[in-house]
Amino acid sequence: DTAVSQTPKYLVTQMGNDKSIKCEQNLGHDTMYWYKQDSKKFLKIMFSYNNKELIINETVPNRFSPKSPDKAHLNLHINSLELGDSAVYFCASSPGTTNTGELFFGEGSRLTVL
Amino acid sequence: SQKIEQNSEALNIQEGKTATLTCNYTNYSPAYLQWYRQDPGRGPVFLLLIRENEKEKRKERLKVTFDTTLKQSLFHITASQPADSATYLCALVPYSGSARQLTFGSGTQLTVLP
Repeated sequence: DTAVSQTPKYLVTQMGNDKSIKCEQNLGHDTMYWYKQDSKKFLKIMFSYNNKELIINETVPNRFSPKSPDKAHLNLHINSLELGDSAVYFCASSPGTTNTGELFFGEGSRLTVL
Repeated sequence: SQKIEQNSEALNIQEGKTATLTCNYTNYSPAYLQWYRQDPGRGPVFLLLIRENEKEKRKERLKVTFDTTLKQSLFHITASQPADSATYLCALVPYSGSARQLTFGSGTQLTVLP
């Protein structure tokens, strides 16, 4: 069973379009995240939700909007896509009861904006 | 400003040798330091965690050290194998934080040559 699953794995779209990436975790974790990995492999946190509540919102354009319908799901919607949004987006989760921070990542969604 | 640096973007070693990867940080007071492995096209996978008051941690062929005076962690893979080829990421959890504030280095790409 896949612990953290995200769809789609690949997404190719034109500038200006709106797209969504979905994420689900079956680990029973309280906290979920979206990370962006650029071409230099640098992983940067974008958002974090704990029990459906937004707790981290890094400096991300407001074209990016996360939505958490329940604690097992955290979706990412991106409006008016730009070339610079091309990257791999990773969903992750962690137990809410520990602060040691082990993250469980999904396989990533590679977004290419043309 | 806070910074996490990992030595050289790429490291090539011969099979059977010990690989040593470095993670240096500045302007952090990390409570925990973690190491992840990332294979091409996959999400990072947690390997080891070391706490601020621990000097060394081992897991099978892996060994991590943490020197808060030098502000450095070393990650060793002994008796390296071609299957160990991957990108290795270090990540810090600050003293007052949690997984929600995990910050990653840019990674070192290790290639073990047969």
